[in-house]
Amino acid sequence: AQKVTQAQTEISVVEKEDVTLDCVYETRDTTYYLFWYKQPPSGELVFLIRRNSFDEQNEISGRYSWNFQKSTSSFNFTITASQVVDSAVYFCALSEANDSWGKLQFGAGTQVVVTP
Amino acid sequence: DSGVTQTPKHLITATGQRVTLRCSPRSGDLSVYWYQQSLDQGLQFLIQYYNGEERAKGNILERFSAQQFPDLHSELNLSSLELGDSALYFCASTRGGSLTDTQYFGPGTRLTVL
Repeated sequence: AQKVTQAQTEISVVEKEDVTLDCVYETRDTTYYLFWYKQPPSGELVFLIRRNSFDEQNEISGRYSWNFQKSTSSFNFTITASQVVDSAVYFCALSEANDSWGKLQFGAGTQVVVTP
Repeated sequence: DSGVTQTPKHLITATGQRVTLRCSPRSGDLSVYWYQQSLDQGLQFLIQYYNGEERAKGNILERFSAQQFPDLHSELNLSSLELGDSALYFCASTRGGSLTDTQYFGPGTRLTVL
């Protein structure tokens, strides 16, 4: 069963608009980590942010912010004032304590297209 | 640049052949993870090594094998290749190979099986 769901397949925005990417996860563990990775057209996977299950404080880092809500099992990610360089596929991933060696379970990804 | 290196960048081969993908972890990292990214399966965990020992296995086919050498680089061997093995293969490394570590990914090896 899919443990990480990214329902948005593609989001298209015009530069300077905000983009929010949805991620819903499923786990029975009380200890887990959530991640966002970016895959630009060049293909590499770039780590963006991570959150552990005990820290629901939402933060902002530059143009990135995230909203972690355990009550709804969601870990949404927002890019503020999008730029063309933000065009990429964004993956949400889960790492669970019952698999303590840290393997990542990825969602299907959301393609973000930012046009000038 | 994550500090994880993978070679080759691209590989084109024929069905039935065998290939070896190589990964060098970041300096100081002891654990290597391998993932496969394909159009139909998405990003899937294959296998993990820590300091030379296999630690966890995912949906890795029996035709695939891996190892981690004393210098900590890792190789993923794919044999009896099929068209469906065409994919992007990533490795990632971490210091301790545990839940609390962040995985940093290499640039990937794109395998095309013709």
